[in-house]
Amino acid sequence: QVHLVQSGAEVKKPGASVKVSCKASGYSLSTYYMHWVRQAPGQGLEWMGVIYPSDGGATYAQKLQGRVTMTRDTSTSTVYMDLNSLKSEDTAMYYCARVAKYFDGNGYPHYHFDYWGQGTLVTVSS
Amino acid sequence: QSVLTQPPSASGTPGQRVTISCSGTSSNIGSDAVSWYQQLPGTAPKLLIYSNYQRPSGVPDRFSGSKSGTSASLAISGLQSEDEADYYCAAWDDSLNGPVFGGGTKLTVL
Repeated sequence: QVHLVQSGAEVKKPGASVKVSCKASGYSLSTYYMHWVRQAPGQGLEWMGVIYPSDGGATYAQKLQGRVTMTRDTSTSTVYMDLNSLKSEDTAMYYCARVAKYFDGNGYPHYHFDYWGQGTLVTVSS
Repeated sequence: QSVLTQPPSASGTPGQRVTISCSGTSSNIGSDAVSWYQQLPGTAPKLLIYSNYQRPSGVPDRFSGSKSGTSASLAISGLQSEDEADYYCAAWDDSLNGPVFGGGTKLTVL
């Protein structure tokens, strides 16, 4: 069975960086894209970006461009999300989420998040 | 401000049927499939519906999804106390080149 296990909670000061890991098991990391989604306290879900584990490429949400980096280590089936220049507004639960592809009756692909990590709370406070 | 629009709250009594709406535009719901996620308190979101109306194995058939134009709906029939959770819709957005979410609907079982 598929499992995504994330690293533990972090407390950081403004201006610092944080690196969150997400270890995949039960499938081959290279065969599915992995996204990162965050959720500020009491708020909704915000997409951060996606990493393509097969080649290590990534696409980031425009809002976070320049501050976020997503990487992977295929030898340990782990993806990482690095966020720098932290601000208080970055305080949130961070989730990794695997994307699955489904082909409709016309053969057109559609995507959805089929498995999620348990979340990593990042608190930014002076 | 979320890209997809959901009502912030919904409620019903046990056994009732409730629906949650999700409104978007031609660049997201109008051109791609909708998925729905259930988030129980203190837990990660869980896939409930994908490709507008498909249910993953293990999701009860009390949950159903539909889509028309740039709007989608999640229906829950035979409401149960354990359905009390936050529900989010999502779709891929062509102009943003990534997924967008609704702001979430908090369902209360009275």
